[in-house]
Amino acid sequence: NAGVMQNPRHLVRRRGQEARLRCSPMKGHSHVYWYRQLPEEGLKFMVYLQKENIIDESGMPKERFSAEFPKEGPSILRIQQVVRGDSAAYFCASSPDIQGTEAFFGQGTRLTVV
Amino acid sequence: DAKTTQPPSMDCAEGRAANLPCNHSTISGNEYVYWYRQIHSQGPQYIIHGLKNNETNEMASLIITEDRKSSTLILPHATLRDTAVYYCIVSAATNAGKSTFGDGTTLTVKP
Repeated sequence: NAGVMQNPRHLVRRRGQEARLRCSPMKGHSHVYWYRQLPEEGLKFMVYLQKENIIDESGMPKERFSAEFPKEGPSILRIQQVVRGDSAAYFCASSPDIQGTEAFFGQGTRLTVV
Repeated sequence: DAKTTQPPSMDCAEGRAANLPCNHSTISGNEYVYWYRQIHSQGPQYIIHGLKNNETNEMASLIITEDRKSSTLILPHATLRDTAVYYCIVSAATNAGKSTFGDGTTLTVKP
């Protein structure tokens, strides 16, 4: 059973371009969570999704950021018109639809905006 | 999510037990205590979690006080590879992955 898969592992974008980060949850997991970790800082929750639904997006910046978790395929975190301040590690986690279980994290995507 | 308080750093000698404390005095009845660690800049690694009973797995033991206001993660025989930032988190049972990560405890295992 493969773990949470994120790709790409490293992504370089120029200012103003779009960044698309993908997360394939563990098999059987229907809950996905995205976190951002700025350099030398802790992890900050961004958004929580279940299949085709956004459950909690309280940590998402109001502009340029969006997330989806379609019925088929991976979850996508999309950042439009990237700026240097978006440079960070973006981690995805997944958990099953069972109360009291743990979430597992992927290895992250490191976004660098030049 | 309830807030947690952890010491910013701890040292431990290789081969000895590492005991990492965490305070979570505002934990509510449906919240679990989770421990994760992050080695360098890798993805957080799940260690253990519990509700009110003590738990043990192949990595660690979790001791939760009777009033659930604090807990201790025990690494029984710390190795150099256990050097990492350890995060204590409380999270509702229904969404294990939505958590507030604090600053954690940086554990340094020394030879």
